[in-house]
Amino acid sequence: NAGVTQTPKFQVLKTGQSMTLQCAQDMNHNSMYWYRQDPGMGLRLIYYSASEGTTDKGEVPNGYNVSRLNKREFSLRLESAAPSQTSVYFCASSDHDAGSYNEQFFGPGTRLTVL
Amino acid sequence: KNQVEQSPQSLIILEGKNCTLQCNYTVSPFSNLRWYKQDTGRGPVSLTIMTFSENTKSNGRYTATLDADTKQSSLHITASQLSDSASYICVVSAYNDMRFGAGTRLTVKP
Repeated sequence: NAGVTQTPKFQVLKTGQSMTLQCAQDMNHNSMYWYRQDPGMGLRLIYYSASEGTTDKGEVPNGYNVSRLNKREFSLRLESAAPSQTSVYFCASSDHDAGSYNEQFFGPGTRLTVL
Repeated sequence: KNQVEQSPQSLIILEGKNCTLQCNYTVSPFSNLRWYKQDTGRGPVSLTIMTFSENTKSNGRYTATLDADTKQSSLHITASQLSDSASYICVVSAYNDMRFGAGTRLTVKP
């Protein structure tokens, strides 16, 4: 099992460009999450999907959109990238929602730089 | 506001020594607390989970403690190894909410 995979690993964008970060999990988990990690701060939740067909905003959703394509895949889209979106992005999955005892499994991250 | 504070921000120790990392939280109502290890360039990996009724949990050389009354947790690493060099993140969950601490960056030197 690959666990949680993310593509790409690195990306450099110019301000205003768009891109989609891809995430897939092979653990048959119901819930999937997108986080960003900035220096000196804890991971912050951007969006999550409690189950296939549903998505909800997290703590910092502005400037992002998501799609839960199927049970395996959850993508994050930046429509018009801004320098403030320079960050490391992590996708995670778990059997159930945050607040349950189910562990979240994280992907390796995508390091995004917006110039 | 639900928050998780970790200390110290960074720590350097010699191989073989012990260390203790701290986590204070204001998350309520409390569900569980996890410690994650994050190696450089990788995603976090869970080390331990503790619920309200548990006050100690071990995973090899890692021992986590929880005082739900004072809302404090600690992660004790015994006989440190070079491979323990990583960031250690405290994550506290309430109902339908999960808050991450900023982490403690541990460097183990030979």
